[in-house]
Amino acid sequence: DTGVSQDPRHKITKRGQNVTFRCDPISEHNRLYWYRQTLGQGPEFLTYFQNEAQLEKSRLLSDRFSAERPKGSFSTLEIQRTEQGDSAMYLCASSSGTVGHEKLFFGSGTQLSVL
Amino acid sequence: GNSVTQMEGPVTLSEEAFLTINCTYTATGYPSLFWYVQYPGEGLQLLLKATKADDKGSNKGFEATYRKETTSFHLEKGSVQVSDSAVYFCALATNAGKSTFGDGTTLTVKP
Repeated sequence: DTGVSQDPRHKITKRGQNVTFRCDPISEHNRLYWYRQTLGQGPEFLTYFQNEAQLEKSRLLSDRFSAERPKGSFSTLEIQRTEQGDSAMYLCASSSGTVGHEKLFFGSGTQLSVL
Repeated sequence: GNSVTQMEGPVTLSEEAFLTINCTYTATGYPSLFWYVQYPGEGLQLLLKATKADDKGSNKGFEATYRKETTSFHLEKGSVQVSDSAVYFCALATNAGKSTFGDGTTLTVKP
């Protein structure tokens, strides 16, 4: 069990640029989640996958955000035309077991700063 | 929609003091309840969970009991240590898949 890994750890970008983050879940986990966390707040749900299927997207996720999990393994989260309000920690988590009762395993996150 | 409310922090205690962090929730259906902890410089990790009413979750000396009648899941520890200093998040999950988190409570334990 190597844990959930996220890349990069930090990303600084200029407003209007596109950014892409990667998450590698624990290999046997079929569910993968993306959350966003800002300072002083808890993680906010963005989207989740079961295998390669994206099952739910938060209404917080504007059309500038897109996520994929093409082969049911790693996932990418892309933000197009970044805005200063996108600055946050982006967290990935994976799980297996009964939906809604399972433990989430979190990565260390990608800290995005939009200048 | 679902929501989780945690007591506001930060909380500062002396070593060996008793800890309570309050958590209440609003949810449709029958959620599972969780406490996650984030130690300095580390990612979130599960501390304990309870999946049905009256269940008690426990780990590392921490306990929380799922109280459906008061919609609460308060975290307690009888004697805190400096190493317990961290941010604690209460969360709920339903069979819809996603988890809803509180805003976290920062605990600092002084020797």
